[in-house]
Amino acid sequence: ETGVTQTPRHLVMGMTNKKSLKCEQHLGHNAMYWYKQSAKKPLELMFVYSLEERVENNSVPSRFSPECPNSSHLFLHLHTLQPEDSALYLCASSPTSGGADTQYFGPGTRLTVL
Amino acid sequence: GQNIDQPTEMTATEGAIVQINCTYQTSGFNGLFWYQQHAGEAPTFLSYNVLDGLEEKGRFSSFLSRSKGYSYLLLKELQMKDSASYLCAVRDSNYQLIWGAGTKLIIKP
Repeated sequence: ETGVTQTPRHLVMGMTNKKSLKCEQHLGHNAMYWYKQSAKKPLELMFVYSLEERVENNSVPSRFSPECPNSSHLFLHLHTLQPEDSALYLCASSPTSGGADTQYFGPGTRLTVL
Repeated sequence: GQNIDQPTEMTATEGAIVQINCTYQTSGFNGLFWYQQHAGEAPTFLSYNVLDGLEEKGRFSSFLSRSKGYSYLLLKELQMKDSASYLCAVRDSNYQLIWGAGTKLIIKP
């Protein structure tokens, strides 16, 4: 148990659907992250939030829309996705968004886009 | 560009020792992390190196040479539960984490 939970653990959706991924951290951290993990590829950083403000957006398509209502919760809203968006989506948190802070990961949501 | 290289897959025998290498080319260096990720689970933090040398933590050790852009993770007395992917990540001058694709370690009895 790493203190970071994600729901759902698995999601299958069509290209016209709208769904949301949820992440919650119970560690009192101020920074939260969304990553995409595809098979045999490095983790791709999508979004970074620090104290509920987005501090980084790595050229992610607008069909992915993050939301951070408070420092404990992070959402990723999905709409009109493509099959190549199928991947494991990992949420992480750290005490701050810089320095030598270690990131703590949730178990991920396995997303399949049909 | 920034790049992290590590072997795609390695196989080792239970009870043995295995060394997983990681080489990096990044814009600046502010530390190197090793994470373990079992299939279908969250990556979990193993070690952090920012200065040259060896950091030992029980059966796991991590080494760093900044001049060579090189690190390794050494796993001793291998157990079946060590079968997992091992991810190397480097924090660059902007404090952004650059990740390797991971090394899948298979332990055989």
